[in-house]
Order: sequence, then C-alpha cells, then structure tokens
Amino acid sequence: AQTVTQSQPEMSVQEAETVTLSCTYDTSENNYYLFWYKQPPSRQMILVIRQEAYKQQNATENRFSVNFQKAAKSFSLKISDSQLGDTAMYFCALNTGNQFYFGTGTSLTVIP
Amino acid sequence: DTAVSQTPKYLVTQMGNDKSIKCEQNLGHDTMYWYKQDSKKFLKIMFSYNNKELIINETVPNRFSPKSPDKAHLNLHINSLELGDSAVYFCASSRDRVLAGGLSSSYNEQFFGPGTRLTVL
Repeated sequence: AQTVTQSQPEMSVQEAETVTLSCTYDTSENNYYLFWYKQPPSRQMILVIRQEAYKQQNATENRFSVNFQKAAKSFSLKISDSQLGDTAMYFCALNTGNQFYFGTGTSLTVIP
Repeated sequence: DTAVSQTPKYLVTQMGNDKSIKCEQNLGHDTMYWYKQDSKKFLKIMFSYNNKELIINETVPNRFSPKSPDKAHLNLHINSLELGDSAVYFCASSRDRVLAGGLSSSYNEQFFGPGTRLTVL
C-alpha cells in the first residue's frame, strides 16, 4: 500500500526567511513521481515542484527546492526567501501508475 | 484558456435534492479524477476514469455516480444530498505515463479544476 505522511499540520515563517516542510512516503514501486502542490485561500491546487524517483538530483524551481532522500523515503520542500504569497496549504503527493496519494497537508503562514 | 474547468463553482442546495457537477479538460489527458476535500482540507480520492472506464472507485456512497461521456469529460452526479456531503469537490486530470525502457518518459502530474464548493442545507 502507498502512503504519504506530512507530520506538520501547521507552520509559520517570517517573511524573507527559509522554511522546510516535511514529507515521508511509502511505496514498493521502483518507478514513481513525487509532487508538492500549493493550495492558497483561492483553493486552486497549483503544482509547485516535481521529482522523478529515478533522478538523484534534487529538483529546483526558483525559490522552491526539494531534498529527495530515496532510501529514507523522504521528500521535503524548502522555500527560500519566503513571501506573503506563499501562505497556503501545501500537499505532498506520490504518483504510481495512474494513482495519486496525497498527504494531509501543511498549513504555512508567512508572517510580515 | 482553462485546462480543467468545473461548473458550477458554488452550489447551495437543500437536503434530499439531486445535483450534478460538470468537469471538462482540454489537455488531451486520458485519466480523470474526482476528489472530495473536507473542512479539514483532507483530499480524498473518490473516482478515477481512464479512457471513459472506471479504474478507481473508493468507498463512497452509491448516491455518488460518475459519468464519462467521453475522455474529456467526467461529471459527478449526487442523489439525495445529505448534510455530510458539504465539501469542496475537485476534478483533476493526468496523462498516462509512457514507459520507455522501463523509465517514464514524461511527467504525470495532475492538473486540477478550480473546485466546486457544495453546501447542503
């Protein structure tokens, strides 16, 4: 069975600081994808970053980067230079085949 | 141009009524999904269709029935609405992963619609 765990229900960070959101997962598949989605108050689900399991290099998208530890089944999201617009729910997701598994989310608040 | 659209965005109705939520994607994707997001923001998969065929049907009441007239549309019909059905419902789509030499050759992220906030009074 596939599972995704986000152990931090809520986090806060000062504007311009760096914050790391944790995610661990479990799967017996060798070929899978991992994603971080952002859901701001507008409720639209927005893809933040993605990682292929067979790539060792950590994905980076501007201020967003991941720390992908395959052996530990860990996929954390680092947000640098936090901005007020980063305030949102963040969901970690695992994709195997055509199925997606989501964590319970982390509510991030950026404090001015 | 909207990739995944849902209508309506807001739906307020009385208990016992029957309602439908429509979803359309113009991305050429083969797989479409319905999720329910409750008040605690938990995302729960309800259904998944691949090329108009049901591939996932999680434990949801029979009152919920998906209909896929073609692979670009996946509508959700809900009969005899109950108070507990109040939630935000998201439609999503993704393409099938193409395997080449045992490795996926393309990303397979889901694209989400804007969500439909359903309130049952």
